[in-house]
Amino acid sequence: GDSVTQMEGPVTLSEEAFLTINCTYTATGYPSLFWYVQYPGEGLQLLLKATKADDKGSNKGFEATYRKETTSFHLEKGSVQVSDSAVYFCALHLNFGNEKLTFGTGTRLTIIP
Amino acid sequence: KAGVTQTPRYLIKTRGQQVTLSCSPISGHRSVSWYQQTPGQGLQFLFEYFSETQRNKGNFPGRFSGRQFSNSRSEMNVSTLELGDSALYLCASHPTSGDSNEQFFGPGTRLTVL
Repeated sequence: GDSVTQMEGPVTLSEEAFLTINCTYTATGYPSLFWYVQYPGEGLQLLLKATKADDKGSNKGFEATYRKETTSFHLEKGSVQVSDSAVYFCALHLNFGNEKLTFGTGTRLTIIP
Repeated sequence: KAGVTQTPRYLIKTRGQQVTLSCSPISGHRSVSWYQQTPGQGLQFLFEYFSETQRNKGNFPGRFSGRQFSNSRSEMNVSTLELGDSALYLCASHPTSGDSNEQFFGPGTRLTVL
């Protein structure tokens, strides 16, 4: 079945460090890919998305490129801030008419000042 | 536009009881999905409703059910609660028009079963 494998956490970085959170997927078909972020006590917020191969999603300094050849969608940010501390989820969506999102396990990120 | 709202935000129940959670989607959104989030299993899809009909269902026992009303508001019900049902239950709404496949999540209802 469809699945998303995410880098295990937790991840702790110093402010201004470079961030990479790895995400790979297995899917029958051509999914859309997403990164969601969850701050403490809140629901999920869409961070960025990509709907086809080689698309790059970007938002708030975060980027991820849809790599069909490696079935990956790694999240990167050049200089993290304390406010980026949260849990990050990679997810895929396959078909219109079926709104199910398949999520990775989540990666808890903590940024130290 | 107001976001997705879920009520109540917190709930404590005991084993064997039943519970009903409510979700109001963003105005104009006709699709509502429910997810269960636990530390052990992560985020798992429960079901999706569109135009008052269940369109998709995840792998949960029949104790988990839902419905959607004509105004797109949705409820989910869990009967005969078990300790393992303790979780954050998230609702997401989807516009179902245009080419966007983005889903918008509510803040969740945290259910604790004692």
